[in-house]
Amino acid sequence: AQSVTQPDIHITVSEGASLELRCNYSYGATPYLFWYVQSPGQGLQLLLKYFSGDTLVQGIKGFEAEFKRSQSSFNLRKPSVHWSDAAEYFCAVGFSGGYNKLIFGAGTRLAVHP
Amino acid sequence: KAGVTQTPRYLIKTRGQQVTLSCSPISGHRSVSWYQQTPGQGLQFLFEYFSETQRNKGNFPGRFSGRQFSNSRSEMNVSTLELGDSALYLCASSLATGLTYEQYFGPGTRLTVT
Repeated sequence: AQSVTQPDIHITVSEGASLELRCNYSYGATPYLFWYVQSPGQGLQLLLKYFSGDTLVQGIKGFEAEFKRSQSSFNLRKPSVHWSDAAEYFCAVGFSGGYNKLIFGAGTRLAVHP
Repeated sequence: KAGVTQTPRYLIKTRGQQVTLSCSPISGHRSVSWYQQTPGQGLQFLFEYFSETQRNKGNFPGRFSGRQFSNSRSEMNVSTLELGDSALYLCASSLATGLTYEQYFGPGTRLTVT
């Protein structure tokens, strides 16, 4: 069965520091990969997606992610974190023929120290 | 372009009652998916509708049902509410279905069952 693992439940970084959030998936074929962000009491906002092609994808708010097939990973990165980035981040996977069903990871809650 | 709207935003119900939640997708989007978000189970896919037909279904009991109207608006219904149904219910819209497309989420409906 398909699954998504986000190993880090909580991460704390200082403002201005770099950030990497980890995501590993389990799926036999090439997946469709997404990162979403959720602020308290809000819905999910799409940060970026990978469908095919260049394995380094750029998203909104200065985020990027790299698809590594050999490691079944899709880690999210940002070179310099801002206090407004504090939120919960979800990695999700979809599949060909999946009819828009997304499997989500458990999420990583990011705290940013001033 | 207006985003995904969900009504109501908050709801309190008693065990045994039923509830109906509404979702209006982004204009031009024809697919609506529903997700349940709880602290214990995370984000779980409920079902997806396209052209008024359910195309995919998650692993939820039959008490959870939905429908889609000709204008792509969707409703989900939960009958015989249980305490465990307390959750944030999110709907997401996308252009089409079959594969996996970008999904845009609404702010959610917070359901509390007492």
